[in-house]
Amino acid sequence: DVKVTQSSRYLVKRTGEKVFLECVQDMDHENMFWYRQDPGLGLRLIYFSYDVKMKEKGDIPEGYSVSREKKERFSLILESASTNQTSMYLCASNTGTYYGYTFGSGTRLTVV
Amino acid sequence: QKEVEQNSGPLSVPEGAIASLNCTYSDRGSQSFFWYRQYSGKSPELIMSIYSNGDKEDGRFTAQLNKASQYVSLLIRDSQPSDSATYLCAVNVNNFNKFYFGSGTKLNVKP
Repeated sequence: DVKVTQSSRYLVKRTGEKVFLECVQDMDHENMFWYRQDPGLGLRLIYFSYDVKMKEKGDIPEGYSVSREKKERFSLILESASTNQTSMYLCASNTGTYYGYTFGSGTRLTVV
Repeated sequence: QKEVEQNSGPLSVPEGAIASLNCTYSDRGSQSFFWYRQYSGKSPELIMSIYSNGDKEDGRFTAQLNKASQYVSLLIRDSQPSDSATYLCAVNVNNFNKFYFGSGTKLNVKP
């Protein structure tokens, strides 16, 4: 069964910490995405990547960066965590415009 | 105006009824449309995709697309309590492999 695996299901971090969220897919997909999901706001795209070492800003990239050193792995980095980054973070991958996403199980991040 | 709009609900239907979920989008260049189901506390899972005007059926699910009206819908026939979830509409943006999601419609199917 194809999978997108996010390294942590729940995380609690302190304000100002540097936070790494890891995502690994085993489907050989070219495209990977990071979204955050908040009540009433839906899913909002943070960053995405079409290839190794390539990255594109989504709609809300401020305060975040990403790394894609290998095709199967896409990391989201919160440079200095703030309380307004408390959210559910979802990683997804696909292989093209006409293919839906496969999502990871999500990481619920709380910044205190 | 949001790129993808859905009625947040909740939409309540009795078991066995047809549930109708609707979605409108703003980008006339969009070419691919998806419906996802999300159970509380879980991540979204893909249930339907549609690319051409008209209807597409898969089991109890039917997706309908009207590009002229910029409207996508999902019909769930013979609704079951296990269908109770939030349904997300996703639309690609500017012919790119990037998708906007609606905020979701919460469906409650009552036994």
